[in-house]
Amino acid sequence: DAKTTQPPSMDCAEGRAANLPCNHSTISGNEYVYWYRQIHSQGPQYIIHGLKNNETNEMASLIITEDRKSSTLILPHATLRDTAVYYCIVRVHSNYQLIWGAGTKLIIKP
Amino acid sequence: DAEITQSPRHKITETGRQVTLACHQTWNHNNMFWYRQDLGHGLRLIHYSYGVQDTNKGEVSDGYSVSRSNTEDLPLTLESAASSQTSVYFCASSPGVGTGELFFGEGSRLTVL
Repeated sequence: DAKTTQPPSMDCAEGRAANLPCNHSTISGNEYVYWYRQIHSQGPQYIIHGLKNNETNEMASLIITEDRKSSTLILPHATLRDTAVYYCIVRVHSNYQLIWGAGTKLIIKP
Repeated sequence: DAEITQSPRHKITETGRQVTLACHQTWNHNNMFWYRQDLGHGLRLIHYSYGVQDTNKGEVSDGYSVSRSNTEDLPLTLESAASSQTSVYFCASSPGVGTGELFFGEGSRLTVL
């Protein structure tokens, strides 16, 4: 079973920041949070991951709450090409496997 | 450029037939994975391999098999295709056991009639 909970869909205006929430209340101390996205029916694309600290790369920022029970993926300036399904995933520590949920369908509107 | 390729991209077959989906990566990654994705759902792990001659079952391995004879390839075989195996199949690879950063292929859409 998926270890994360995400809203099924969200809208965001082009040029604005898109903030995608994720709950992972049962996460263990050594389990990482990963974010992927899937555009259309293409293969998923890795975005970012983190354990405790906030992380930023060229694609996005990841904010993890202090209790690690939730996180937010931030796309700072959303474009139409960011329309995709975004998956928040907790990586199982025992076997390093990713447990995928249904994700959030993000629609960027002009 | 290094890449991961799947073939065929689309296949239609009949119930009971054996089907093999190919996956080839040129990154020299040790880890390779097969997932299936059904409409409106996330990915489910079928089989995975952490190196040559190593294979492991995922959460939905029944009816599927894999073999790893070299680093580059992890073919997925459906021994006797069933309609419930109609799905989109994704192959992925990663460089190390401890990383969750996977590189995915473009997918193979399989229809079992």
